[in-house]
Amino acid sequence: AQSVTQPDIHITVSEGASLELRCNYSYGATPYLFWYVQSPGQGLQLLLKYFSGDTLVQGIKGFEAEFKRSQSSFNLRKPSVHWSDAAEYFCAVGAGANNLFFGTGTRLTVIP
Amino acid sequence: GAVVSQHPSRVICKSGTSVKIECRSLDFQATTMFWYRQFPKQSLMLMATSNEGSKATYEQGVEKDKFLINHASLTLSTLTVTSAHPEDSSFYICSARDSGYTFGSGTRLTVV
Repeated sequence: AQSVTQPDIHITVSEGASLELRCNYSYGATPYLFWYVQSPGQGLQLLLKYFSGDTLVQGIKGFEAEFKRSQSSFNLRKPSVHWSDAAEYFCAVGAGANNLFFGTGTRLTVIP
Repeated sequence: GAVVSQHPSRVICKSGTSVKIECRSLDFQATTMFWYRQFPKQSLMLMATSNEGSKATYEQGVEKDKFLINHASLTLSTLTVTSAHPEDSSFYICSARDSGYTFGSGTRLTVV
């Protein structure tokens, strides 16, 4: 069965600092992997996704993620965080036409 | 890119009444849509998978008679919360399958 673990419930970073949000997954085959961002009271916006090919995926808003099969990880990174990046971030795994399984989310706080 | 419109964004209803939430794929056809529920500060939990022209598939523990799903066309799925009670108050989000998964902006349901 699929599962997703986001070990960090809450992360605080200073504006301009680098960011890495962790995501580990469990799945029997090569998964489809996603990162979504959610602002309070809003839906989910796709940041990036990995289906196959290059394991370093570029997304919107300057985010990137790297798929590491050996570590079952798909960590999200950004070199320089902006105050507007403060939000909830969800990692998700899916396969084929099935639904997505979400991690519990990581809340990002950005301090001046 | 793909857009999913979800309506209404917020609804307040009296206990015992029913509420209908619509999810539309605006520029693509979606044979499969997903309905999620999100409790405050928690992740998204899949409620059901909506398939165009057939019965929805409900996750374990989700009352199908309470959460009625209709997917009558390739661009519209509806979730009706019947005889709503305060414990049904939550954030409901739909998702449609295209090349990835596109989410609606969510519906905040408050039952008073």
